[in-house]
Amino acid sequence: QKEVEQNSGPLSVPEGAIASLNCTYSDRGSQSFFWYRQYSGKSPELIMSIYSNGDKEDGRFTAQLNKASQYVSLLIRDSQPSDSATYLCAAITNTGNQFYFGTGTSLTVIP
Amino acid sequence: EPEVTQTPSHQVTQMGQEVILRCVPISNHLYFYWYRQILGQKVEFLVSFYNNEISEKSEIFDDQFSVERPDGSNFTLKIRSTKLEDSAMYFCASSGYGSEQETQYFGPGTRLLVL
Repeated sequence: QKEVEQNSGPLSVPEGAIASLNCTYSDRGSQSFFWYRQYSGKSPELIMSIYSNGDKEDGRFTAQLNKASQYVSLLIRDSQPSDSATYLCAAITNTGNQFYFGTGTSLTVIP
Repeated sequence: EPEVTQTPSHQVTQMGQEVILRCVPISNHLYFYWYRQILGQKVEFLVSFYNNEISEKSEIFDDQFSVERPDGSNFTLKIRSTKLEDSAMYFCASSGYGSEQETQYFGPGTRLLVL
């Protein structure tokens, strides 16, 4: 069964610090990975996608992918209180039609 | 900026009743999806839809569920004979084609409560 695993947290960091979120996946055939942010009671909001091994940076966010170890991570630099949310890691199947989501990691940025 | 919309935002129904959840995907998108999220749990894939047919579905998507694109804009999820355990947030998502196929954009969700 295809699974995406995340540490549920909660993870607390002080404002301005780096938040590090991790995710592992079981389906070695997955090629594409996504990080979504979900505020309580709201829908998932896309932050970043990553397809190739290595790092991908977008503003304060950096996604890292290591296919050999089957893990994906998200770094949030200069964390802000508005970053407080649940972060969902998702992998897509080879068919490109189905996302597998992790349970999410709850992040709290303390002012 | 184009976005996925869903109606209603909240739906309360009695067990055994049928409900229809509606979605308007982003206008030039070709792939449509339904997900559900039971309170406090992960987002779970239900079904994907392309070219007027189901392309993939999960074990959750049994005979109780059906999807339809009745016209050029709406995408619906029908739940026949609702059960208590169907209470959840239901999200619609859509994606484009080619390199954009894999990036799914989510609607705001419909919160379904079955009593």
